[in-house]
Amino acid sequence: GNSVTQMEGPVTLSEEAFLTINCTYTATGYPSLFWYVQYPGEGLQLLLKATKADDKGSNKGFEATYRKETTSFHLEKGSVQVSDSAVYFCALTPFSGGYNKLIFGAGTRLAVHP
Amino acid sequence: EAEVAQSPRYKITEKSQAVAFWCDPISGHATLYWYRQILGQGPELLVQFQDESVVDDSQLPKDRFSAERLKGVDSTLKIQPAELGDSAMYLCASSPATGMNTEAFFGQGTRLTVV
Repeated sequence: GNSVTQMEGPVTLSEEAFLTINCTYTATGYPSLFWYVQYPGEGLQLLLKATKADDKGSNKGFEATYRKETTSFHLEKGSVQVSDSAVYFCALTPFSGGYNKLIFGAGTRLAVHP
Repeated sequence: EAEVAQSPRYKITEKSQAVAFWCDPISGHATLYWYRQILGQGPELLVQFQDESVVDDSQLPKDRFSAERLKGVDSTLKIQPAELGDSAMYLCASSPATGMNTEAFFGQGTRLTVV
């Protein structure tokens, strides 16, 4: 079946530290991969996406590369800010030939301290 | 900027009572989703509409949950009767198309507490 596994949180970092949040997936065929972010009290927002192997998605200093050989889509940022504190969800849309749906991981909470 | 609207934001109900949530997707978006997010977990799809038709309700507990999208615009999700285990965030999302690469836009959600 299709599933997403994320590293458990919380991840606690100091401002300007390097961030990695691991994400691996299981899927039939070639899914599209996404990172969504959920700030406190808000809904989910798309952060970045990649639609085929070796694609790199990037936005607001965050990056993730679609690695087919390791079935991974790790999220990275070179220098985090306090405002990046949120819950990050890795997700995939499987190739179904029909209607798409997002399958999410459990989420990783990031806390950045000054 | 267009947004997905949901109401209410918060709802407290007693078990065995009926409860309903409303969602108004971004104008022109044909696909509408209802997700349930239990605290500490990722969202799980309950039901997906394409226009007014249900295309996926495989995870919807049909003995107590129902969803409709009359006229293919706004949607209502109902629970009757509510159980303690239904306490969660209910998220509505919409997207303009059905392709694999299409972004889904989420509302702020309705937080349900069943007491």
